[in-house]
Amino acid sequence: QKEVEQNSGPLSVPEGAIASLNCTYSDRVSQSFFWYRQYSGKSPELIMSIYSNGDKEDGRFTAQLNKASQYVSLLIRDSQPSDSATYLCAVNKGTGNQFYFGTGTSLTVIP
Amino acid sequence: GAGVSQSPSNKVTEKGKDVELRCDPISGHTALYWYRQSLGQGLEFLIYFQGNSAPDKSGLPSDRFSAERTGGSVSTLTIQRTQQEDSAVYLCASSFFGENIQYFGAGTRLSVL
Repeated sequence: QKEVEQNSGPLSVPEGAIASLNCTYSDRVSQSFFWYRQYSGKSPELIMSIYSNGDKEDGRFTAQLNKASQYVSLLIRDSQPSDSATYLCAVNKGTGNQFYFGTGTSLTVIP
Repeated sequence: GAGVSQSPSNKVTEKGKDVELRCDPISGHTALYWYRQSLGQGLEFLIYFQGNSAPDKSGLPSDRFSAERTGGSVSTLTIQRTQQEDSAVYLCASSFFGENIQYFGAGTRLSVL
C-alpha cells in the first residue's frame, strides 16, 4: 500500500469553477500535510500546508484535513487557466525526515 | 536571495558511466533533501542531510547511489555505473532546521542511453 495516494486525473474544470483535489494517506501517525504545485518541466512549489483537522484558507485555495478518515483535499475556487498544473500531496509523519509524496493530480482549467 | 541551485540542468550519459549532480541550497538552510522523480511518478525520497548529523540514507535505491554534503552547504549526489532505469529528474530541496517547508531547485534531468 502506498503511503500517499492521489487520483492521477487528468481533472478538467472550466474557468471560474471550483477544482477539488483529493489525497489519502495510509499511516495514522502522519502529522503534517502539504500541497505542492508543479508546472510542466518545473520544480514543485509549496502552496498550502495544514497540520490540524478542519479547513485552512489562503486566497483562492482551501486545504481540508480529516485525520479520522485519513484524507486531505485542496479546493481551488474561481479556477484560472494559470492553475493548470500537477498538484502533489505530501505527508510528513513527524517521526523522521521523510516526506512522502503522491504521484500527483493533473489539473487543466479550460478557458 | 538566491534559491536552490542545481547543476547541470541536463545530463546525458552512457550506461555504465558515473555521474555527479550538484545542489547548492539556500544560504542558512541546514536541511537538504534529494529526491528522484521518474516520468509520471511522484517524488521518491533518496537522502536527507541535517547540519553535521549523520545523513538519513534510507531512500537510496542501491549502493550505486551515494551523496555527500561538504561544509554543511553544497551537496553532490553520485550515481556509479549508471543504468537506464536511473533516467529521471533529480530534485534537491532545502529548508531551515525544524521547518517543514521545503524549497526545491529546478532539478537535473538525467538521461542514461
